[in-house]
Amino acid sequence: AAGVIQSPRHLIKEKRETATLKCYPIPRHDTVYWYQQGPGQDPQFLISFYEKMQSDKGSIPDRFSAQQFSDYHSELNMSSLELGDSALYFCASSFNVARKQFFGPGTRLTVL
Amino acid sequence: QKEVEQDPGPLSVPEGAIVSLNCTYSNSAFQYFMWYRQYSRKGPELLMYTYSSGNKEDGRFTAQVDKSSKYISLFIRDSQPSDSATYLCAMSVGSGTGTASKLTFGTGTRLQVTL
Repeated sequence: AAGVIQSPRHLIKEKRETATLKCYPIPRHDTVYWYQQGPGQDPQFLISFYEKMQSDKGSIPDRFSAQQFSDYHSELNMSSLELGDSALYFCASSFNVARKQFFGPGTRLTVL
Repeated sequence: QKEVEQDPGPLSVPEGAIVSLNCTYSNSAFQYFMWYRQYSRKGPELLMYTYSSGNKEDGRFTAQVDKSSKYISLFIRDSQPSDSATYLCAMSVGSGTGTASKLTFGTGTRLQVTL
């Protein structure tokens, strides 16, 4: 079965640089969620989109922005990167705001 | 204090043992309960999904929810070395139409099943 696709899988950036993470949800899923997982920590909710509109917002820094496009893929834009932004970033998708969220493999961001 | 508490382990059991993983929560608005399995450096994999008190069984896995005690459990029967992973409980509140419901996770329990 098709799964959530995330790209890139690994990303290395310098402080103050910008990064863009992409998420392609499972076909026919219309809802996308972004989570951040620090080392040894549980995933923390950042932001979600339903039908291309922002649905909920969590602990997402103002330096980050995200959107969902007409084909339902989503991008997380991160600017002025800090060392503390180094983490695994997961995208999850669901159908019609159903509670079953399916996660992608994640993007490992390292900020040097 | 976190909304969802989970014993971080690590928990080490011999192959074939029954494993019990538990979470407690404080937010009575949580209505949907999930268990995810996460291998090292991989994405969480949905194992079980429940929305009412009681038991739900799927193969070697049984999820149990007690809303009155704000307590959920995951039981793994006949544990295998391939079950070695971190298990995360997750919960969400009921939301209105068109509102995506975020997950609140426990900290995860590391499980090691030994031969």
